[in-house]
Amino acid sequence: DAGVIQSPRHEVTEMGQEVTLRCKPISGHNSLFWYRQTMMRGLELLIYFNNNVPIDDSGMPEDRFSAKMPNASFSTLKIQPSEPRDSAVYFCASSLIRQYSNQPQHFGDGTRLSIL
Amino acid sequence: GENVEQHPSTLSVQEGDSAVIKCTYSDSASNYFPWYKQELGKRPQLIIDIRSNVGEKKDQRIAVTLNKTAKHFSLHITETQPEDSAVYFCAASTRYSSASKIIFGSGTRLSIRP
Repeated sequence: DAGVIQSPRHEVTEMGQEVTLRCKPISGHNSLFWYRQTMMRGLELLIYFNNNVPIDDSGMPEDRFSAKMPNASFSTLKIQPSEPRDSAVYFCASSLIRQYSNQPQHFGDGTRLSIL
Repeated sequence: GENVEQHPSTLSVQEGDSAVIKCTYSDSASNYFPWYKQELGKRPQLIIDIRSNVGEKKDQRIAVTLNKTAKHFSLHITETQPEDSAVYFCAASTRYSSASKIIFGSGTRLSIRP
């Protein structure tokens, strides 16, 4: 089991540039979650998908953020245009959600994003 | 919506002593409560979880208790060791028909003094 795979591990870019973060969930998992972690705000859920369909995107900060899951093995989180306040560690997590039964989430190693 | 409060935000204990971290939740429909440990610069990792049909669960030096009436749950670490130093997050989750969302507490930074 390779676990949740995120890329890149680190990203440094200038303000105004487009940033794309990528995630490959654990094979067989049907739910995928994007989180942002900062010292000030802790671990925030941005959006999550179930069977590739976005279920709740109420945590997405603003229109500059968008996320897609074109298939069961790949998701992207895009920021356009990026701003310094977007600097954070972005985690992707996946889980197998069975009917009426929660299962733990497995996190990737995260992408450390720095916007200059 | 669900809200999870976690206390304390920082905790320092002597090596060998016990550590207790407490969380409260607001949604009475919450039925799953995982705990995650995050070491510096690493990803959160599940260390133990408990479901609402159980009052207590133990795994070696780690135990979790759940009081559904009071809507609070706690993590207990006994015989603490230096490698227990990390940030610990509690979480609460409710499973609906087609959706499931975990709400995390704000974290507790645990330091073990040698």
